[in-house]
Amino acid sequence: AQKVTQAQTEISVVEKEDVTLDCVYETRDTTYYLFWYKQPPSGELVFLIRRNSFDEQNEISGRYSWNFQKSTSSFNFTITASQVVDSAVYFCALSEARGAGSYQLTFGKGTKLSVIP
Amino acid sequence: GAVVSQHPSWVICKSGTSVKIECRSLDFQATTMFWYRQFPKQSLMLMATSNEGSKATYEQGVEKDKFLINHASLTLSTLTVTSAHPEDSSFYICSAARLGNTGELFFGEGSRLTVL
Repeated sequence: AQKVTQAQTEISVVEKEDVTLDCVYETRDTTYYLFWYKQPPSGELVFLIRRNSFDEQNEISGRYSWNFQKSTSSFNFTITASQVVDSAVYFCALSEARGAGSYQLTFGKGTKLSVIP
Repeated sequence: GAVVSQHPSWVICKSGTSVKIECRSLDFQATTMFWYRQFPKQSLMLMATSNEGSKATYEQGVEKDKFLINHASLTLSTLTVTSAHPEDSSFYICSAARLGNTGELFFGEGSRLTVL
């Protein structure tokens, strides 16, 4: 079963529009971590946020905000007033314990965001 | 934040040759390193988990004789693609977990392999 689902494969928005990227996850662990990464065309993964399962507070960082809801197993990411530089593939990821103190990170399939000037 | 470096960033090789990719944690000790593979326009797929001083654990479907992983020290893991074929062409990304793994991983810049 897919553990991290990013239903939106591609999204296009016009610059300055707000956009929300959806992420739904599945886990049986009570302790887990959720991440968002940005992958620009150059390929490197850029860390955006990490949230542990016990912290449901929403977070805002500049134009970025995240909405974590355990009740719906969702960890959605909103970009406000989008800019062309936001164009990238965004990955949601889930980190679960794998025993012996190690964790495994599972990625969603990614959402390609294109911001049109 | 913690820094993980991969080398080389780009490599082109002839079919049948072997290629080694290095992954180094520059400012922290990494007990566990992970190797991912990413095909164009696809997600990252975990290939294997390497723990310092022990054999790597490979994910189902990943050929351990094809993709040799060595984690000789707490700051270095290597992935060797042996007898490379064009279908091995891909983007390979490593990540490292700090000593006392808290679930956060730090990623290298990735290595793009093209096999001619």
